[in-house]
Amino acid sequence: DVKVTQSSRYLVKRTGEKVFLECVQDMDHENMFWYRQDPGLGLRLIYFSYDVKMKEKGDIPEGYSVSREKKERFSLILESASTNQTSMYLCASSFGTGRTGELFFGEGSRLTVL
Amino acid sequence: GENVEQHPSTLSVQEGDSAVIKCTYSDSASNYFPWYKQELGKRPQLIIDIRSNVGEKKDQRIAVTLNKTAKHFSLHITETQPEDSAVYFCAASRRNRDDKIIFGKGTRLHILP
Repeated sequence: DVKVTQSSRYLVKRTGEKVFLECVQDMDHENMFWYRQDPGLGLRLIYFSYDVKMKEKGDIPEGYSVSREKKERFSLILESASTNQTSMYLCASSFGTGRTGELFFGEGSRLTVL
Repeated sequence: GENVEQHPSTLSVQEGDSAVIKCTYSDSASNYFPWYKQELGKRPQLIIDIRSNVGEKKDQRIAVTLNKTAKHFSLHITETQPEDSAVYFCAASRRNRDDKIIFGKGTRLHILP
């Protein structure tokens, strides 16, 4: 059974703080993704990675960065949190090209920035 | 880049009736179209997907159709049941190594008793 684990289910941070959201998958997936979910806006892609140390911008990368030092771990970093980054953050992983494209999601991290 | 539009944003149907959710995409090179279901408080999960070399795919009460020429695809749920109440997301991708998976904004489906 595929498992995608996000380190924190709920976080409350203050404006200007640095925030780390961690995601680990145990299925040796090549691809990993960070999405942001807001009511009425669906799932918006922030960043994704198709290999270790590789990263690609999604549709809304501003204010975020990512790190993928190991295949199983993909971190989302908010260098200086702002109130408009209050949201639900979903990590996902999938096999690479040539295999099923199914995304496996983590349970989400709900971030509140005060 | 790819843009996926999804309609309607909210849909209410009587239990036992059919539900249809429609999506359009902009990138003619997209060739993989999955649908995800997200129940309240849970993570999205894949329910069905279709590739561009196929026009229709069925799995029990759910089916997906694809019209490549018009660049639209639809999810059909027949004989709806209370457990079908959820938010449904369509998505599109090229399925290349470095390609992103872009989602529509979602449809909240309510099954009325």
